[in-house]
Amino acid sequence: ETGVTQSPTHLIKTRGQQVTLRCSSQSGHNTVSWYQQALGQGPQFIFQYYREEENGRGNFPPRFSGLQFPNYSSELNVNALELDDSALYLCASSSGRTGRAGANVLTFGAGSRLTVL
Amino acid sequence: TQLLEQSPQFLSIQEGENLTVYCNSSSVFSSLQWYRQEPGEGPVLLVTVVTGGEVKKLKRLTFQFGDARKDSSLHITAAQPGDTGLYLCAGPFYNAGNMLTFGGGTRLMVKP
Repeated sequence: ETGVTQSPTHLIKTRGQQVTLRCSSQSGHNTVSWYQQALGQGPQFIFQYYREEENGRGNFPPRFSGLQFPNYSSELNVNALELDDSALYLCASSSGRTGRAGANVLTFGAGSRLTVL
Repeated sequence: TQLLEQSPQFLSIQEGENLTVYCNSSSVFSSLQWYRQEPGEGPVLLVTVVTGGEVKKLKRLTFQFGDARKDSSLHITAAQPGDTGLYLCAGPFYNAGNMLTFGGGTRLMVKP
């Protein structure tokens, strides 16, 4: 089975620009979560999508938005980029809606490293 | 907000030494997970502990969940260079299954 794939792996943007990051979930997984990992820190939860709807959100402003498609792949969009948005953005897929048995096993992709200049 | 604090932040040891990494919180968690992350990769799940006082072993790694389910530890026996990496503990937000809050991580380097 294929794992979680993310693209692009690296990208550089300037302050004020917009970025779209993409994620293909692991086969059989219908839930996608996005995390931001700043350098030297642990990942922080951005939001989660289940069956194309946002299922939960962390403490991130509205300029962080997302989509999930019928094939369960997902996009993370960030508008009006700020220097502090420089980080590794991780996508994780899982099976089942949060709280249900088997839903706690996350498979992470290798991430997209965003640098904002 | 449920916070997880890990200690130490950095650990550099020689091959063959033992070590313990701690993950503490003032909040009760329904479960805690430990991940290992290597450079250029995403975190990989090592173990999930769900019962207070539970001990799980994975080869030379021993994981323990505190009796009150507020803390956890990871003990590595006879560390090897292949154990080098970032160790992260994580627990669900307000018991919401797979939306996780992570600790800040412990960066381990094992020198040959």
